[in-house]
Amino acid sequence: AQKITQTQPGMFVQEKEAVTLDCTYDTSDQSYGLFWYKQPSSGEMIFLIYQGSYDEQNATEGRYSLNFQKARKSANLVISASQLGDSAMYFCAMREIGNEKLTFGTGTRLTIIP
Amino acid sequence: NAGVTQTPKFRILKIGQSMTLQCTQDMNHNYMYWYRQDPGMGLKLIYYSVGAGITDKGEVPNGYNVSRSTTEDFPLRLELAAPSQTSVYFCASSDPPGHHTEAFFGQGTRLTVV
Repeated sequence: AQKITQTQPGMFVQEKEAVTLDCTYDTSDQSYGLFWYKQPSSGEMIFLIYQGSYDEQNATEGRYSLNFQKARKSANLVISASQLGDSAMYFCAMREIGNEKLTFGTGTRLTIIP
Repeated sequence: NAGVTQTPKFRILKIGQSMTLQCTQDMNHNYMYWYRQDPGMGLKLIYYSVGAGITDKGEVPNGYNVSRSTTEDFPLRLELAAPSQTSVYFCASSDPPGHHTEAFFGQGTRLTVV
């Protein structure tokens, strides 16, 4: 069964610093995808970045990058040069390729301090 | 670009009442999902559908029903509302689970049962 673990319920980071949000996962499949979503206080779910299990390079999207360590089954999100607008809940999610279900972790609430 | 549209945005129900949460997508996605998000928690899968006429249970299906008569629509029905169903409900859709198929989410429906 798929399982996603986010061990940091909340984080406080100074503006302009980099921040790493942890995510570990458990699957017996070799082919899967990992996703990060942002949920601001307004409530919508915003897709940020994707990493495929067979991707050789870590995914990057602007200030977001994914530190993918397959052997350790971790997919940490790195936000560089944090901004006040980055304050939000962040969810890690996984879907095994061919499996219909997208499974979410419990989330990390990130607060950027000016 | 409407994407995934959910109605209503807010609703207060009395215990024992029924209601249908509407979800429509215009991206021709076969896969559609209903999640609930309790305060401070992650998303839990209620039901999902891989195409018109096909639905299946997720993690927390009790107290809910769904139907999928068209590709576009995936309504969620609460038959006898209970306080435990107070939550924010998200509908999502995606292409079939392959590489880099993120789910697109609606804005959510905030439901309170009193």
